[in-house]
Amino acid sequence: KQEVTQIPAALSVPEGENLVLNCSFTDSAIYNLQWFRQDPGKGLTSLLLIQSSQREQTSGRLNASLDKSSGRSTLYIAASQPGDSATYLCAVRTGANNLFFGTGTRLTVIP
Amino acid sequence: DGGITQSPKYLFRKEGQNVTLSCEQNLNHDAMYWYRQDPGQGLRLIYYSQIVNDFQKGDIAEGYSVSREKKESFPLTVTSAQKNPTAFYLCASTQGQHSNQPQHFGDGTRLSIL
Repeated sequence: KQEVTQIPAALSVPEGENLVLNCSFTDSAIYNLQWFRQDPGKGLTSLLLIQSSQREQTSGRLNASLDKSSGRSTLYIAASQPGDSATYLCAVRTGANNLFFGTGTRLTVIP
Repeated sequence: DGGITQSPKYLFRKEGQNVTLSCEQNLNHDAMYWYRQDPGQGLRLIYYSQIVNDFQKGDIAEGYSVSREKKESFPLTVTSAQKNPTAFYLCASTQGQHSNQPQHFGDGTRLSIL
C-alpha cells in the first residue's frame, strides 16, 4: 500500500528565508501529486498539482518538483512571509479515486 | 463564487445517535469524497461517489453511510456503530471522473462526542 511521508513534521524559519518542504512516497506508480495548504481549523487549499509526466510546477513564490522514480517531491517557498504559516500536505493519486496523504509539515514563519 | 460548503462547522453527537454532515458543491463536479482527519494522521477516505446514485466504500467506511441523490450534494451520516467518531471531517470534489484533476475541499465539520 502507498505510504506518504513528510519530513520534518514542523519547521520554523525567519521571515524572508527560502525553504524546502519534503514529501516521499513508496510506490512510484502514481497519476499525479498535489500539494495543499491547511490553516488551523480549515479545509485544504490546493496549491499545485504535478502530473506524473511533469517534473515541476510553479505558482508565484511556490515551486513544486517531482522525481517519480525516486519517490520524492519538494515544495520550494521563496522569500517566506508570516502569512505562509500553515500546515502543508502532499498527496499522491494512485487511481481514479485513491488519494494518499502525508501527515503534513507545520510551517511557522517568524516576523 | 463556486465552492464546496460543509455544514455545520461544529457538531456534537450523543451516544447512540446518528448525525448527518452536509456537503454541497456548485462547481458542477462529478466526483465527491468524504475524508476523516485525526491529529497526527493523514486524511483517510471514508466514501466516494463518481456519479449520481452511485458510491463506493473507502478505507474506513464502517460506521458511516452516504447518499448521492443529486450531483451537488453528498451527505455523510455518522451512525451509532461508529465508536470513535470524534474527528475533523472533510468533503472534497473533482471535476469529471478522471484522475488528472485536482481535488477541491470544503472547510470541514468538527464532530465531537457529548
